[in-house]
Amino acid sequence: GAVVSQHPSRVICKSGTSVKIECRSLDFQATTMFWYRQFPKQSLMLMATSNEGSKATYEQGVEKDKFLINHASLTLSTLTVTSAHPEDSSFYICSALAGTSGSTDTQYFGPGTRLTVL
Amino acid sequence: SQQGEEDPQALSIQEGENATMNCSYKTSINNLQWYRQNSGRGLVHLILIRSNEREKHSGRLRVTLDTSKKSSSLLITASRAADTASYFCATFTNAGKSTFGDGTTLTVKP
Repeated sequence: GAVVSQHPSRVICKSGTSVKIECRSLDFQATTMFWYRQFPKQSLMLMATSNEGSKATYEQGVEKDKFLINHASLTLSTLTVTSAHPEDSSFYICSALAGTSGSTDTQYFGPGTRLTVL
Repeated sequence: SQQGEEDPQALSIQEGENATMNCSYKTSINNLQWYRQNSGRGLVHLILIRSNEREKHSGRLRVTLDTSKKSSSLLITASRAADTASYFCATFTNAGKSTFGDGTTLTVKP
């Protein structure tokens, strides 16, 4: 099946620093990628939809200036957590849509990035 | 808020038994997908069922969809210890927006 990678898998940073997380589709092109965050023992919360070559669409309550998304190519989307604070500590997961028929396509998920802000 | 609700929240069974998880949703959907997640890991796609389908099979998995009741079920037959994981349903609208359920934590005892 399609493979999506994330880097880094785990990051620990000091409060106030910025952290960039990469999401790559390894064997397919993805015009649309999604970013989720997941708190312990909870479900995934969609943060934003990332479209190649255009601005990301953020869900209600997600700060655009806090979580910068760039989808510069058909295989790479990045999420930058700016001026991270302890409350930003979470598991961040990306997914990529395989195919071109929109919502009927399967989302393939990356392995996630565990962010810990001290 | 999450529109997907799953029950049970936790399920513990013996190896070889069947496991059934249910998912309910509130709005119209284009399709519904089931995923599994091992602790601290990413999600693995299990099966996709479209709104005009009622049942799908994949190996030991059977998924049903009842759009009139806005519900779906995932059945895992002849469970194995390796099936121990959290299982999530996710609904997708025509606009492509996804909403995940709260998940069911399945424990299969050897």
